[in-house]
Amino acid sequence: TQLLEQSPQFLSIQEGENLTVYCNSSSVFSSLQWYRQEPGEGPVLLVTVVTGGEVKKLKRLTFQFGDARKDSSLHITAAQPGDTGLYLCAGEAAGTALIFGKGTTLSVSS
Amino acid sequence: EAQVTQNPRYLITVTGKKLTVTCSQNMNHEYMSWYRQDPGLGLRQIYYSMNVEVTDKGDVPEGYKVSRKEKRNFPLILESPSPNQTSLYFCASSTILPGERGYNEQFFGPGTRLTVL
Repeated sequence: TQLLEQSPQFLSIQEGENLTVYCNSSSVFSSLQWYRQEPGEGPVLLVTVVTGGEVKKLKRLTFQFGDARKDSSLHITAAQPGDTGLYLCAGEAAGTALIFGKGTTLSVSS
Repeated sequence: EAQVTQNPRYLITVTGKKLTVTCSQNMNHEYMSWYRQDPGLGLRQIYYSMNVEVTDKGDVPEGYKVSRKEKRNFPLILESPSPNQTSLYFCASSTILPGERGYNEQFFGPGTRLTVL
């Protein structure tokens, strides 16, 4: 069974701080996605990483795919209250449905 | 506007009373699926459909049924709801089928919060 472990499960920080969320697996994925979910809404795709070692930036968010395509990280620089939400990683492997991690709940207070 | 819609958004019902949660997408996506989201357990797939009249079980199918008579609609049916089916349900659609090359971006509906008493 393929599993995606996300850490930390909860994160509460002050505005302006930096943070990193991790997504780890023992399985190799052909691509890995990061979603963000706000209260009362469905998850929305932020980014997809495909190549081992790939780094993608989305404003203050930096996403990295591990060289072996088994892990990924999301780094947020100078977090803002608007970054508050549930962050989910999801791995895609050949012939299988998308596998979701359990998520990281981020709370950024001003 | 490209979207996935679900109805109802909120539902409180009693044990054993059959209910249907509707899902519709306007993006001509072939792949549709249902998830439930529970605290500490994350998103778990209930059923999915690769195309019209093609459905299959996900990770937690017990107590649920689905149908795919039209490409755009994928209703979730609870024949005899029980309290352990109290959860937040999401319908999702995608243009890429699992296993195909490409970015399997899931477009999610807004969710249906179900409470079974």
